[in-house]
Amino acid sequence: EVQLVQSGAQVRKSGEALKISCKGFGYTFTDYWIGWVRQRPGKGLEWVGIIYAGDSDTRYNPAFEGQVTISADRYISTAYLQWDSLRASDTAKYFCVRPVTLASIYGPNDAFEIWGQGTMVTVSS
Amino acid sequence: IVLTQSPGTLSLSPGERATLSCRASHTVDSDYLAWYQQKPGQPPRLLIYGASSRATGVPDRFSGSGSGTDFTLTIRRLETEDYAVYYCQQYGSSPLTFGGGTQVDIK
Repeated sequence: EVQLVQSGAQVRKSGEALKISCKGFGYTFTDYWIGWVRQRPGKGLEWVGIIYAGDSDTRYNPAFEGQVTISADRYISTAYLQWDSLRASDTAKYFCVRPVTLASIYGPNDAFEIWGQGTMVTVSS
Repeated sequence: IVLTQSPGTLSLSPGERATLSCRASHTVDSDYLAWYQQKPGQPPRLLIYGASSRATGVPDRFSGSGSGTDFTLTIRRLETEDYAVYYCQQYGSSPLTFGGGTQVDIK
């Protein structure tokens, strides 16, 4: 079964660093891009960015560039989202996502077919 | 591209037809428009991509239509499991963007 399994909920203080993970199962990790989507409590969805683990090509939503870092380790089929200094406004659930189409056929702009269960990040000031 | 969904809330009875709208501020390239369903405590589920193609396993009572800047998700006959929030997303140009969502409630 194709699935994305994310790391557990995290609670941090403002200014602290954090790295959350997303591991792919049931498919060849480097066949697809893998991205991140933010959902603040009671709010809508926002695209954070996306990475191709085959060569680490990474694209960011300008609204998030410089605020987060996306990385991946192709050898353990895992993608990461990290913050060097968290803010209270980062409090949200973060979903990792896999697009519909193979990376060899289409680029990073795609609909998201597979979603992780989400990681809740709570930042207290 | 800003996506505006309407109405904000739709209250309908089981068996009724639901029509959800998504309007884009600029033309969506290649009609790269998707629809998702999200229930409380769950991740979103892809329903429609490419404006009108149903994702794997999606019942045929869900259909998508439209092009350019105006898109529609239709649920032919509402079932109790369809009560949820629905989001549209454009992926024709970066940054990818989502609409604000339409809540479909039981009347």
